[in-house]
Amino acid sequence: EPEVTQTPSHQVTQMGQEVILRCVPISNHLYFYWYRQILGQKVEFLVSFYNNEISEKSEIFDDQFSVERPDGSNFTLKIRSTKLEDSAMYFCASSEAGSSPLHFGNGTRLTVT
Amino acid sequence: GESVGLHLPTLSVQEGDNSIINCAYSNSASDYFIWYKQESGKGPQFIIDIRSNMDKRQGQRVTVLLNKTVKHLSLQIAATQPGDSAVYFCAESPPGNQFYFGTGTSLTVIP
Repeated sequence: EPEVTQTPSHQVTQMGQEVILRCVPISNHLYFYWYRQILGQKVEFLVSFYNNEISEKSEIFDDQFSVERPDGSNFTLKIRSTKLEDSAMYFCASSEAGSSPLHFGNGTRLTVT
Repeated sequence: GESVGLHLPTLSVQEGDNSIINCAYSNSASDYFIWYKQESGKGPQFIIDIRSNMDKRQGQRVTVLLNKTVKHLSLQIAATQPGDSAVYFCAESPPGNQFYFGTGTSLTVIP
């Protein structure tokens, strides 16, 4: 069964550094998403991406964050100047259409020290 | 943002019993709902979905009920098995392509 893959599984970075989290969505899916989950809390929407542009974003997704689909298969989340509070699990998801089930990857655990 | 909440943060059931996990959602414009299961160290896994033009939908051992009047969603798991132990999230989607998740209910199945 096709799946969303994310790399790395765990990323440790120092405060102030930039990180890039990588995702390969399911190949025939058209909508891509990033969510994050702080330990013990709910899954929070960050951004959705369709037709090579951001379609929606949350208040969390400020200028520190950016997304890119650099080629036909990868979807990346860049976090600039990381802060301690950016430590969380970051999940990538994709869906076939706008109102259809999201398929999640297993996440990247980001630890900012 | 939206508010999707769960009535019980934890639930323990005996193996073989039925489980019911409840969820309250806040946006009356939400027209699509999904239940997800999350096991430790993994991403949320799709269980079942329902659109607002339905009030019940059944899958394999699972049933989702939707009550739009009181903005309530429930997930029923029949004959609960140890492999069902996980955190369960409901997610609501208003028109558009955003999903809002609840805080989750931790289900523990006692053998």
